[in-house]
Amino acid sequence: DAGITQSPRHKVTETGTPVTLRCHQTENHRYMYWYRQDPGHGLRLIHYSYGVKDTDKGEVSDGYSVSRSKTEDFLLTLESATSSQTSVYFCAISDSAGAPGEQYFGPGTRLTVT
Amino acid sequence: TQLLEQSPQFLSIQEGENLTVYCNSSSVFSSLQWYRQEPGEGPVLLVTVVTGGEVKKLKRLTFQFGDARKDSSLHITAAQPGDTGLYLCAGERGGADGLTFGKGTHLIIQP
Repeated sequence: DAGITQSPRHKVTETGTPVTLRCHQTENHRYMYWYRQDPGHGLRLIHYSYGVKDTDKGEVSDGYSVSRSKTEDFLLTLESATSSQTSVYFCAISDSAGAPGEQYFGPGTRLTVT
Repeated sequence: TQLLEQSPQFLSIQEGENLTVYCNSSSVFSSLQWYRQEPGEGPVLLVTVVTGGEVKKLKRLTFQFGDARKDSSLHITAAQPGDTGLYLCAGERGGADGLTFGKGTHLIIQP
C-alpha cells in the first residue's frame, strides 16, 4: 500500500470557522490531489498539485484553497466552512513515472460542518 | 456534466452468480481505471486499461476497455461475499488534472 496518511480522520466544526486538512505521503510522488465524495455525486476533484508550490483548480474548487510547501505534504483549507462542505475528503497521489492515471488514495477525512 | 455513467447503480445478487458492471462515456479517455472502495476507506486501484479493446483479468474479475476507448466493463465470475463493495470507474484524459469518476456501483453479494 502507498504511504498516504490524512489528518484528522474525523472533524466536526461550526459554520464560519477555518479548517485545514492535511495529506502526508512517504512515496515522493510528484502529483497530489484532493477529492470530495458525496452521495449521488461520486468523487469530484477540488484541487491538485503537480509539484512543490505548483497547484491548480479542479471541478469544485470554490471555497477551498491548497498549499504545497514540501513534496510530502498537501494541505486543503476551508477558509470559512459552510454546511455544503460537509463531506468525506480524500487525498490521492500519483507518480508521473508510473502507469498513466493511476492514483493511490488515503483513508479519508470525514468533515461535518454544523 | 457527468462524463462517466456507471450502471447499474446498485446490484444485489447471490453468491456464485455472475455479474457485469458497465462504465460508459461519450468522451475518449487515454486510460481508464477501476477502483474498489469499502466503507470508511479510500478507493483501492484494481486495474488500469490503456489500449482500445484491451482485456485484463484479475482472478475472477475481467476488465475490458472498449475499442474506441469510451467505455469499459467489469465482469465478475462466481461472485463471493468478499466482492461486496463500491466499484468505481475513472477516466483519464491526459495531463495532470486528475481523474473523472463515475458515481459507482454498489455491489452486495449475499451468502
